[in-house]
Amino acid sequence: GENVEQHPSTLSVQEGDSAVIKCTYSDSASNYFPWYKQELGKRPQLIIDIRSNVGEKKDQRIAVTLNKTAKHFSLHITETQPEDSAVYFCAASKVGGSYIPTFGRGTSLIVHP
Amino acid sequence: DGGITQSPKYLFRKEGQNVTLSCEQNLNHDAMYWYRQDPGQGLRLIYYSQIVNDFQKGDIAEGYSVSREKKESFPLTVTSAQKNPTAFYLCASSIRHEQFFGPGTRLTVL
Repeated sequence: GENVEQHPSTLSVQEGDSAVIKCTYSDSASNYFPWYKQELGKRPQLIIDIRSNVGEKKDQRIAVTLNKTAKHFSLHITETQPEDSAVYFCAASKVGGSYIPTFGRGTSLIVHP
Repeated sequence: DGGITQSPKYLFRKEGQNVTLSCEQNLNHDAMYWYRQDPGQGLRLIYYSQIVNDFQKGDIAEGYSVSREKKESFPLTVTSAQKNPTAFYLCASSIRHEQFFGPGTRLTVL
């Protein structure tokens, strides 16, 4: 089955700095990679996703990059703000048929004012 | 994400008791899921259901049971066979490849 590794487990940055979270996956058939943000005590919410036919996707201060050859993808947050503090999860899955994503263990991002 | 509800928000159980966590959605999604979340463990899949009256075990199904008698509802029972049930439980539903999560239930065994 699929295995997703996520690093780092904790990331501490100063407000205004950039933050990068990296994930690797094992199943070359995976073709859909969502990222979720979970604030303390709340539900995970999808913030950005990327399909395997695209190398990069941006949404304001958030971007995701995908390297299919190396089987890794990354979340980039620029100009971090205190409200970006949360746990971020990556996932890998196959679109089509049963949708069963495999999640990484999460990264706790702390943005210091 | 407002179409998925879980109840109760907090649940306390004595050892040896079975408890049932509720999950309801009005999004008309076919697929529903139960995840367990522990600190540093990410989201681990307990059970999932792709259609009414059918469900499959996930990675950590031992000590849990589910039913899917209606499209809108996917209750999870934590049985006394689950040795370490204290955790945060998340229900989700999906259409195609986008998952929507409920607000979660925090279960504590006393």
